[in-house]
Amino acid sequence: KNEVEQSPQNLTAQEGEFITINCSYSVGISALHWLQQHPGGGIVSLFMLSSGKKKHGRLIATINIQEKHSSLHITASHPRDSAVYICAVRGGGNQFYFGTGTSLTVIP
Amino acid sequence: DAGVIQSPRHEVTEMGQEVTLRCKPISGHDYLFWYRQTMMRGLELLIYFNNNVPIDDSGMPEDRFSAKMPNASFSTLKIQPSEPRDSAVYFCASSQTGGGTQYFGPGTRLTVL
Repeated sequence: KNEVEQSPQNLTAQEGEFITINCSYSVGISALHWLQQHPGGGIVSLFMLSSGKKKHGRLIATINIQEKHSSLHITASHPRDSAVYICAVRGGGNQFYFGTGTSLTVIP
Repeated sequence: DAGVIQSPRHEVTEMGQEVTLRCKPISGHDYLFWYRQTMMRGLELLIYFNNNVPIDDSGMPEDRFSAKMPNASFSTLKIQPSEPRDSAVYFCASSQTGGGTQYFGPGTRLTVL
C-alpha cells in the first residue's frame, strides 16, 4: 500500500486547457510538496504546503488536511509545462513519502 | 548562489567497484537529503542530515550504502561494492528547514555494468 497516491498517472492536454493533478495521502503530515521533473531529469520544488492554498504564476496548489488531499492546478497550460509532477509528504517521525508521479504532456 | 552541486554528473563503473557520489548543498541550508530515482521505484529518500547529523537513514537499501556529512558544505554517498541494480539517478537536495522547500541538484546518473 502506498502512503501517497497520485492521479492520473498520465495526462495529455491541449495547450490552453486547465489541468488538475490530485494527490491523496494516508498518513499524518507536517508538510506536502509538489515537485516538477522535466524531461531532462532536473527536479524543481514548486510548492510546500501545510494548509490552504498557494499560487505562483499559472500554478495553484491546494491542500485539505481533513480530507488528506491536495491538488495541483495549471491554468492556461503550455507545452513547456510538460513534465512529471510528483507529490511528496513529510509525515510524523521524520518520514518522507512520495507519489509515483503524474506524467503531463501538453500538445500545442 | 550556484545551487546544489553534485559530482560526478555521470558515472559508469563495473560491478564490485566502489562508487562515491558528492554533494555540496546551498550555503546556509541546514538539511541535506539524498534520493535515488529509478523507473521501477520512482523517487526514494535514502537518508537525510540536519546540521551534519544523520536523522533518518531508513531508506538506505543495505549495508553496501553509506553516507557522511563531515561538514556543512559537503556530503558523500558511497556504495561498496556496487551492483547492477544500483544503477539509478542519485539526487542530492538541501533546504533551510526540515519541511521547507527543497532545492535539488542536477543528479548523478550511475550505471553499474
